[in-house]
Amino acid sequence: GNSVTQMEGPVTLSEEAFLTINCTYTATGYPSLFWYVQYPGEGLQLLLKATKADDKGSNKGFEATYRKETTSFHLEKGSVQVSDSAVYFCALSLIYSGAGSYQLTFGKGTKLSVIP
Amino acid sequence: GAGVSQSPSNKVTEKGKDVELRCDPISGHTALYWYRQRLGQGLEFLIYFQGNSAPDKSGLPSDRFSAERTGESVSTLTIQRTQQEDSAVYLCASSHVAGGPQDEQFFGPGTRLTVL
Repeated sequence: GNSVTQMEGPVTLSEEAFLTINCTYTATGYPSLFWYVQYPGEGLQLLLKATKADDKGSNKGFEATYRKETTSFHLEKGSVQVSDSAVYFCALSLIYSGAGSYQLTFGKGTKLSVIP
Repeated sequence: GAGVSQSPSNKVTEKGKDVELRCDPISGHTALYWYRQRLGQGLEFLIYFQGNSAPDKSGLPSDRFSAERTGESVSTLTIQRTQQEDSAVYLCASSHVAGGPQDEQFFGPGTRLTVL
């Protein structure tokens, strides 16, 4: 089956530190890959995505590169801010034959806390 | 414009009671998904609607769970004879069309269900 494994938190960093959240996946086909973020008290929102191998998704200073050879999509940011404190979810989407459903398969989430 | 909305935001019920959870997707979004997130777990797919049809119900955990969608708009997730293991946050997401796995899903704030 399809699955996503991401590093479990919580992760606590000081402001301006470098962030890496590891994410690896297994998939029966060729997935699209996503990072979603959930800020405190808010709903899930898309942070970035990549749809094919070697693509780099980027947004708000965050980056992740689709690595097919290592089945990974690690999230990085060079200098985190207090406002980046949130829960980050790695996810994949595939075409499921017959139903045309592009359901997302999520990792368990990584809680990031950034302290001043 | 309005995002995805869900009601109620919180629901506390007694074991054995039925509950209905509502989702109002973004206007014009034909694809609608229900997910749930149990404590300490990632999001689990429940059901997918394309228009008013549900071609993928593979994630519904038991026959106590059902969902419908009307007018290619509002969706209701019904849980009959609730059990304590049904306690979770139930999330609804919509996307413009199921045109591909790269399509962004927009999430509502969720309904937190607690079964006593």
